[in-house]
Amino acid sequence: EVQILESGGGLVPPGGSLRLSCEFSGFSFSSFIMSWVRRTPRKGLEWVSSIGGSGDNSAYADSVKGRFTVSRDNSKNTVHLDMKSLRGEDSATYYCLKATGFAFDFWGQGILVTVSS
Amino acid sequence: DIQMTQSPLSLSASLGDTVTLTCRASDSISIFLNWYQQKPGKAPQLLISSASTLHTGVPPRFSGSGSGTDFTLTITSLQHEDSATYFCQQGFSALSWTFGPGTRVEIK
Repeated sequence: EVQILESGGGLVPPGGSLRLSCEFSGFSFSSFIMSWVRRTPRKGLEWVSSIGGSGDNSAYADSVKGRFTVSRDNSKNTVHLDMKSLRGEDSATYYCLKATGFAFDFWGQGILVTVSS
Repeated sequence: DIQMTQSPLSLSASLGDTVTLTCRASDSISIFLNWYQQKPGKAPQLLISSASTLHTGVPPRFSGSGSGTDFTLTITSLQHEDSATYFCQQGFSALSWTFGPGTRVEIK
């Protein structure tokens, strides 16, 4: 059974930084692409970032490129999303996901990020 | 980016009804289309991938069809637990995946 332990999130002022983390279990972690998707009332679901199984390849949505960094530690079955220069529009529920092909087949419960002074 | 639209944005139906949700892509995406179900306060769950392949454990009353730009999700014999928001997602544009706005299904 796939399980996720999420951490991070919270309230941060504009321009601040935050790290989100997800620890996975129940599957061969290093074999899968891991992704982040966020949901906001205004824009709905938005793909944010993905990282390949080895950690060598990553990709970002234009809206976060240069501000967010995705990484993974396969020895700890953990994926991180480091967010800096946060803006109000980054306020969202962030989901860490396991991807199989082009489908997101397991989602975390979601981590709330609020960017506000 | 490929834009995804869904219709209707909400619907209300009775137990046992059959409902059809529509998803449309702004450009052809072949069958690179997935459907997800999200209940309030819960994580989204994959229902259908590749337009019509039922994900493990999903009841057979859910079915998907379509290719190119037009897709449908059909729920037959609607149950209480099907009350949720349903999202489509295109996987055609690698690393530029986009989602539809969702259809909220309410049971009368």
